[in-house]
Amino acid sequence: QKEVEQNSGPLSVPEGAIASLNCTYSDRGSQSFFWYRQYSGKSPELIMSIYSNGDKEDGRFTAQLNKASQYVSLLIRDSQPSDSATYLCAVKMTGGGADGLTFGKGTHLIIQP
Amino acid sequence: EAGVAQSPRYKIIEKRQSVAFWCNPISGHATLYWYQQILGQGPKLLIQFQNNGVVDDSQLPKDRFSAERLKGVDSTLKIQPAKLEDSAVYLCASSQTLVAFFGQGTRLTVV
Repeated sequence: QKEVEQNSGPLSVPEGAIASLNCTYSDRGSQSFFWYRQYSGKSPELIMSIYSNGDKEDGRFTAQLNKASQYVSLLIRDSQPSDSATYLCAVKMTGGGADGLTFGKGTHLIIQP
Repeated sequence: EAGVAQSPRYKIIEKRQSVAFWCNPISGHATLYWYQQILGQGPKLLIQFQNNGVVDDSQLPKDRFSAERLKGVDSTLKIQPAKLEDSAVYLCASSQTLVAFFGQGTRLTVV
């Protein structure tokens, strides 16, 4: 049974600070890792994908992957009130065939002005 | 580029009734997924299509849920009969490569 674990929060961070979101996964065969942002009442929106160990930066967002520890994280620098949302960690097997995403329950992030 | 289209946006039905949801994926996307998202949880995969074939339906409650993608484009998800625990948002997603894009979802309330 594939599992993805996230702290549900809420995680409260002051505006302008760094928000750190964490995720662990159980299936060592997982090869692709994603962070989706979901505003209340809206659908998930992809913000980062990462496929190899290390860091990947895109603007204010940095995704970090450690396959040995089965750990994925997302850092949001210079947090803005508009970053307040639920952040969903998702993993998938790749290489053809069944490759649907397995999601965690999400971390509710609140950026305090 | 148009996104994933879903309809209806909202649906309220009584338990034991039937309901159907429609999805039109992004043009050219061969892979289509249906997910169920219960309030406070992450989306859970129900079924994956590759063109008009089912790749994975291991988590689909087949006694009441069915889905089809007859021409390899649009898809329909049906629930018959509905139970109270089916109240959720039903999300359709499509992909061409590794990244899946989601539609706005259909919020189903079973009373």
